[in-house]
Amino acid sequence: QVQLQQSGAELVRPGSSVKISCKASGYAFSSYWMNWVKQRPGQGLEWIGQIYPGDGDTNYNGKFKGKATLTADKSSSTAYMQLSSLTSEDSAVYFCARTPFDYWGQGTTLTVSS
Amino acid sequence: DAVMTQTPLSLPVSLGDQASISCRSSQSLENSNGNTYLNWYLQKPGQSPQLLIYRVSNRFSGVLDRFSGSGSGTDFTLKISRVEAEDLGVYFCLQVTHVPFTFGSGTKLEIK
Repeated sequence: QVQLQQSGAELVRPGSSVKISCKASGYAFSSYWMNWVKQRPGQGLEWIGQIYPGDGDTNYNGKFKGKATLTADKSSSTAYMQLSSLTSEDSAVYFCARTPFDYWGQGTTLTVSS
Repeated sequence: DAVMTQTPLSLPVSLGDQASISCRSSQSLENSNGNTYLNWYLQKPGQSPQLLIYRVSNRFSGVLDRFSGSGSGTDFTLKISRVEAEDLGVYFCLQVTHVPFTFGSGTKLEIK
């Protein structure tokens, strides 16, 4: 069965960076786009971008260009999202979800605080 | 960007009632191939979203036939017949036709 297992909660300092992972199993990782989504309480859901692990091609929401960097490791079937120059506005739950958004990871809570 | 306007924000229902949720897009979600990529989800507290309906009207694996989706172009509707306690949570739509993909703001289905 398809599973997306995300890395654990993170507490980081403002101005720093963090890398969140999403390990896929149960399907051909290289053949499906992997998406990343941000959810803040009261703010709804935002699509950050997607990566095609087969060739590393990416598409970003313009709002997150310069904030998020998506990568993927085919050998470990793991997708990564690095967030940089963190502020309190980046505190949120982040999900990975494969296209066509049928299966989602359990979410990773990021807290940016000094 | 395709703005998804979802209504209502809150939907109080009695168990056994029918519920109806609307999503309206600021632009047509039909692509050049004639496909329309509009999905519906339920998110329960502390959980990730679970897919109910994909491509407007197709129920995902394991989803009961009490859930149905309809619509075309810019107007879409999710109907839940005979609401049960396990249906409570936040419903939202997602369009995957136009980049950036965009979500509706969510509808909280709750007991009246």
